[in-house]
Amino acid sequence: DARVTQTPRHKVTEMGQEVTMRCQPILGHNTVFWYRQTMMQGLELLAYFRNRAPLDDSGMPKDRFSAEMPDATLATLKIQPSEPRDSAVYFCASVFGGVTDTQYFGPGTRLTVL
Amino acid sequence: TQLLEQSPQFLSIQEGENLTVYCNSSSVFSSLQWYRQEPGEGPVLLVTVVTGGEVKKLKRLTFQFGDARKDSSLHITAAQPGDTGLYLCAGAVISSYDKVIFGPGTSLSVIP
Repeated sequence: DARVTQTPRHKVTEMGQEVTMRCQPILGHNTVFWYRQTMMQGLELLAYFRNRAPLDDSGMPKDRFSAEMPDATLATLKIQPSEPRDSAVYFCASVFGGVTDTQYFGPGTRLTVL
Repeated sequence: TQLLEQSPQFLSIQEGENLTVYCNSSSVFSSLQWYRQEPGEGPVLLVTVVTGGEVKKLKRLTFQFGDARKDSSLHITAAQPGDTGLYLCAGAVISSYDKVIFGPGTSLSVIP
């Protein structure tokens, strides 16, 4: 049963600390998305990659957020320094094909910045 | 800026009732998807509609794509507690390169 995995599932940190979230897409999927979900804003696209190359990161605050795919089995999202307003659930999703194909979401990382 | 609106925002009904939720935009979509999200989990795809006027059925769920491909509806017949969750629509916008936009969602609670 192929699934997208995300670690950690929960993270509590203090303002100013670095946070790294990891995602393992489904094997063979060539497109990976990072989303942030909050009650106020809903599900927002932060960035996405195709064949490990960044295609769009316009939804991501550039000064503190960075997203990478060191290899086809790992995507990372880093926040440095973290701020309380970054508290949210961060989802990774992967797709075999284009953005209009089925996105398979991971279980999310719930981030709380104190 | 392309926006998707969903209504109602919250819906609480008794088991066995019917309901319809809506997804609207001023933008034209090349396709539209509906996802359901349960607490503590990521969204799961229910259906993709592509053609204007298309109707798809998934057991007790009926999805319709508007003729102009700017709106969609989801109708649930005889709702069950297992239908409880957040229903999200997501549109692929023709004028944007390869981008899918999610609506804010309709939170459905079906009371036994």
